[in-house]
Amino acid sequence: GAVVSQHPSRVICKSGTSVKIECRSLDFQATTMFWYRQFPKQSLMLMATSNEGSKATYEQGVEKDKFLINHASLTLSTLTVTSAHPEDSSFYICSARKTVNQPQHFGDGTRLSIL
Amino acid sequence: AQSVSQHNHHVILSEAASLELGCNYSYGGTVNLFWYVQYPGQHLQLLLKYFSGDPLVKGIKGFEAEFIKSKFSFNLRKPSVQWSDTAEYFCAVMTTDSWGKLQFGAGTQVVVTP
Repeated sequence: GAVVSQHPSRVICKSGTSVKIECRSLDFQATTMFWYRQFPKQSLMLMATSNEGSKATYEQGVEKDKFLINHASLTLSTLTVTSAHPEDSSFYICSARKTVNQPQHFGDGTRLSIL
Repeated sequence: AQSVSQHNHHVILSEAASLELGCNYSYGGTVNLFWYVQYPGQHLQLLLKYFSGDPLVKGIKGFEAEFIKSKFSFNLRKPSVQWSDTAEYFCAVMTTDSWGKLQFGAGTQVVVTP
């Protein structure tokens, strides 16, 4: 149980395009979803916290206009990297949890490469 | 600022050896503690968690961790590792004032040789 699906797993696109990444909780309702970014040989860095039906809360230093997050339902959150540039290339990971004191369950991640 | 520190970035050991990975955090209040594992090519999976009660927590695959409040530590242990334990291990802390957000350590890459 507690499966989180992330799609796509790999994206390669040109600089200036926008990329949407989906995160779905397949067998539970996720009141909260999180978006992380992981640089090579570094830990996961939280980008934003997304609660269903409300605006996402972004961590300091994360541009909300650059990384658009939508959490329209209890099973789906999307991250859109707008006008992506090579420095946005990274591994993006989502997680979802049922309630505050429940563990987070992670998706497989999306490798984003901007040429 | 709160932080999570994992002492070793890279550990290499032989099968049947014992494993201990250190994790320390800096936060004076109540914490929930987690160890996640990431096998090659797979997503992060929860190994074990501590919320309250017995500070010695048993997880999946023979792992255990001990919460020592006075040392702000939550070290992960396994008495006898297997080749299949080769993975990256992340310690994570959730504080009561963080609205459920996890703060991760940098991770420890564990390689078990046959």
